[in-house]
Amino acid sequence: DIQLSQSPSTLSATVGDRVTITCRASRTVNSYLAWYQQKPGKAPKLLIYKASSLETGVPTRFSGSGSGTEFTLTISSLQPDDFATYYCQQFNSFSASVTFGGGTKVELK
Amino acid sequence: QMVESGGGLVQPGGSLRLSCAASGFTFSTYWVNWVRQAPGKGLEWVANIKQDGSETHYVDSVKGRFTISRDNAASSLYLQMNNLRADDTALYFCATGRSQFYYWGRGTLVSVSS
Repeated sequence: DIQLSQSPSTLSATVGDRVTITCRASRTVNSYLAWYQQKPGKAPKLLIYKASSLETGVPTRFSGSGSGTEFTLTISSLQPDDFATYYCQQFNSFSASVTFGGGTKVELK
Repeated sequence: QMVESGGGLVQPGGSLRLSCAASGFTFSTYWVNWVRQAPGKGLEWVANIKQDGSETHYVDSVKGRFTISRDNAASSLYLQMNNLRADDTALYFCATGRSQFYYWGRGTLVSVSS
């Protein structure tokens, strides 16, 4: 199975910062790479799918990019509501299996 | 909306059956998944099932112990968990979608301990 490694595991930032989170795959991932935001005690929320498509209703300060084995989630200007943990996720269309990255916690500096 | 139920405290080696009731969308048109999260840990995909139930897939750690199923007439998803182990302790979410997960429930907590 494809393994996903996120970096950093924790990121300290302030409101207004540009934030970038990286997700690296153990081998080439097709375009089925998604990003989620999770707050404590809540279910994850889909932000980005197919590496760069913004889910309906998600603010445009969130963007995704990448291909192959390296993908990024960028928050262009961090807002108070954005302090949370972020996960990448890939879908293997051959085996129909799914894996998640280990998560990146964005905390207040 | 998706609402999970059936979690609880069970001894190692025991069994539990989780349920997920869906409403507000056409359940039968979606692949559906179980995803779990151990206390203080990240997300782990557990299993998924095709719209008509003809295809299922599992993470290696639960193969042979867990069975995913669905009842489209009742808009419900199930997870039969047998031979439970301490490392199965987690909050179990149901979620719709195949390549990415759109709708999530709030989860049901499974604790495996003697």
